[in-house]
Amino acid sequence: RKEVEQDPGPFNVPEGATVAFNCTYSNSASQSFFWYRQDCRKEPKLLMSVYSSGNEDGRFTAQLNRASQYISLLIRDSKLSDSATYLCVVKGSQGNLIFGKGTKLSVKP
Amino acid sequence: ETGVTQSPTHLIKTRGQQVTLRCSSQSGHNTVSWYQQALGQGPQFIFQYYREEENGRGNFPPRFSGLQFPNYSSELNVNALELDDSALYLCASSLRGTGKNSYNEQFFGPGTRLTVL
Repeated sequence: RKEVEQDPGPFNVPEGATVAFNCTYSNSASQSFFWYRQDCRKEPKLLMSVYSSGNEDGRFTAQLNRASQYISLLIRDSKLSDSATYLCVVKGSQGNLIFGKGTKLSVKP
Repeated sequence: ETGVTQSPTHLIKTRGQQVTLRCSSQSGHNTVSWYQQALGQGPQFIFQYYREEENGRGNFPPRFSGLQFPNYSSELNVNALELDDSALYLCASSLRGTGKNSYNEQFFGPGTRLTVL
């Protein structure tokens, strides 16, 4: 089983849609969780950390369910500029980042 | 911009050759991590350097080696290149505190795209 697994995608949605990404992780001892965004042929950039109580940043909401080892990201009112690959990330025991394969989102006019 | 720079931006090598990739970390950061991202995959952890010593390693063979210099910049060396080494190589810098588990946000450089023919 892979350490971090994500929805395969791609997701093709119209502007204004709400889209949800899901992710599971295998190590129940994991403590830190993130969503990164990666534009085509660019480096990954931190979108937001994920906290146990859930957290929101504008149109973006992240949720963590430790019991199910499940992480989610909800994007409301999608914009064309949201088109990118979204990477689910768990911090490993060596301080390294463990990335999922990523889910590609295309927002169409 | 993160302040993390990498060189070169692109590189083409042939099987069996050796390559050195370079990374300059963000000012004030003392830790550099290297990742390999194959096409269509998420980045995979290669190793991490802290205070000039390897401080963690992923599932990569010994022909992947590295260095960190006193100014915290770093090199990734790959010997005996294979076709599967073709990928985007990313370095990320961060500031590690004094506690064992006090790892802070990693900032990525733009990457070096390596093609092995």
